[in-house]
Amino acid sequence: EAGVAQSPRYKIIEKRQSVAFWCNPISGHATLYWYQQILGQGPKLLIQFQNNGVVDDSQLPKDRFSAERLKGVDSTLKIQPAKLEDSAVYLCASSPRTSPQTQYFGPGTRLLVL
Amino acid sequence: SQQGEEDPQALSIQEGENATMNCSYKTSINNLQWYRQNSGRGLVHLILIRSNEREKHSGRLRVTLDTSKKSSSLLITASRAADTASYFCGSNTGNQFYFGTGTSLTVIP
Repeated sequence: EAGVAQSPRYKIIEKRQSVAFWCNPISGHATLYWYQQILGQGPKLLIQFQNNGVVDDSQLPKDRFSAERLKGVDSTLKIQPAKLEDSAVYLCASSPRTSPQTQYFGPGTRLLVL
Repeated sequence: SQQGEEDPQALSIQEGENATMNCSYKTSINNLQWYRQNSGRGLVHLILIRSNEREKHSGRLRVTLDTSKKSSSLLITASRAADTASYFCGSNTGNQFYFGTGTSLTVIP
């Protein structure tokens, strides 16, 4: 079975620019997560989707971050405008209905904001 | 602030030795999970222990949970160089999921 796919793998932008990340979860997985992992820290949950509905976005900085999950499958995370402190790895994960506690992670997108 | 704190932050051992890392969390949980992350990669699920369980084994992994102390430990026995990675605990409160700060393990061949 194919894993969680993310693109791009790397992105360098200047502050105040916009950026978007894409995630394709494992086929059939109902739950999708976006995490931000700053260097040297554990991942921080930004948003959790169940199918195409938002379950938890309490830690998403909504003034600049937005996310959507198209038709309950793929998802995009956008930052507009980016700040220096947004430099991090953005991880996407998904979990199946049969084992909702277990998350399968993609390789992440490494963002550098200059 | 993050729900979980782990210690040590970094651990370096010789191949064949056992590695123990600890995780403390703040609020009541439904379950606690341990994940592994190799450099530049995503996280990989290792093991889940439910709040009503005290100990769980999976291969060379042994996890304990003490809900009265709000802590968990991960023991890796007979470590291998390939175990070199960062290890994170993740606590599931039912409403939210939090990762700890991680322990960086280096196993020297």
